[in-house]
Amino acid sequence: DGGITQSPKYLFRKEGQNVTLSCEQNLNHDAMYWYRQDPGQGLRLIYYSQIVNDFQKGDIAEGYSVSREKKESFPLTVTSAQKNPTAFYLCASSEGLRNEQFFGPGTRLTVL
Amino acid sequence: AQSVTQLDSQVPVFEEAPVELRCNYSSSVSVYLFWYVQYPNQGLQLLLKYLSGSTLVKGINGFEAEFNKSQTSFHLRKPSVHISDTAEYFCAVANSGGYQKVTFGIGTKLQVIP
Repeated sequence: DGGITQSPKYLFRKEGQNVTLSCEQNLNHDAMYWYRQDPGQGLRLIYYSQIVNDFQKGDIAEGYSVSREKKESFPLTVTSAQKNPTAFYLCASSEGLRNEQFFGPGTRLTVL
Repeated sequence: AQSVTQLDSQVPVFEEAPVELRCNYSSSVSVYLFWYVQYPNQGLQLLLKYLSGSTLVKGINGFEAEFNKSQTSFHLRKPSVHISDTAEYFCAVANSGGYQKVTFGIGTKLQVIP
């Protein structure tokens, strides 16, 4: 079945450590996205990528980094510069920027 | 720039009653419109979408939405809700002819009361 996988489902890290969240898709989509979700704040866009080896900052990119070396993969690194990293992180993909997005199951990151 | 407003942050409704979740958008050009559902601790799932054609769009789980261009609205409706419809619902908009990414609303939590 085609879809998006995110791993792990739950992730715990100590304050000050960098952590990388995985996102893989087998839908052959060009565009991929990372969102952060906090209670009552909806979806906030962190980074997105329209094509391999290219990506753009979203609304809350500070403290995060991404790479897009393969079409199928779009990992997100939460760095120690992110002041409040505890949140639910969602990865998505779409054929083009204006098309419907398909979402992964999410990763809940807790920084202790 | 496009934007979307979901007018209600929470909507409580009794089981088997009808429900309407409101969504208004702002855009200077033609749009694509979407409704997504999110169950607790899961990703978003597409309920329905409007791209063109009939303004009444039917989706999964008995939901439907009507595109109203004059009122710039895309309200989501279901004639009779079930406990399993308890979830958060997101409206989203994209310019049909441009290269801007989809913009999501802040979400509406639907609480179905037994």
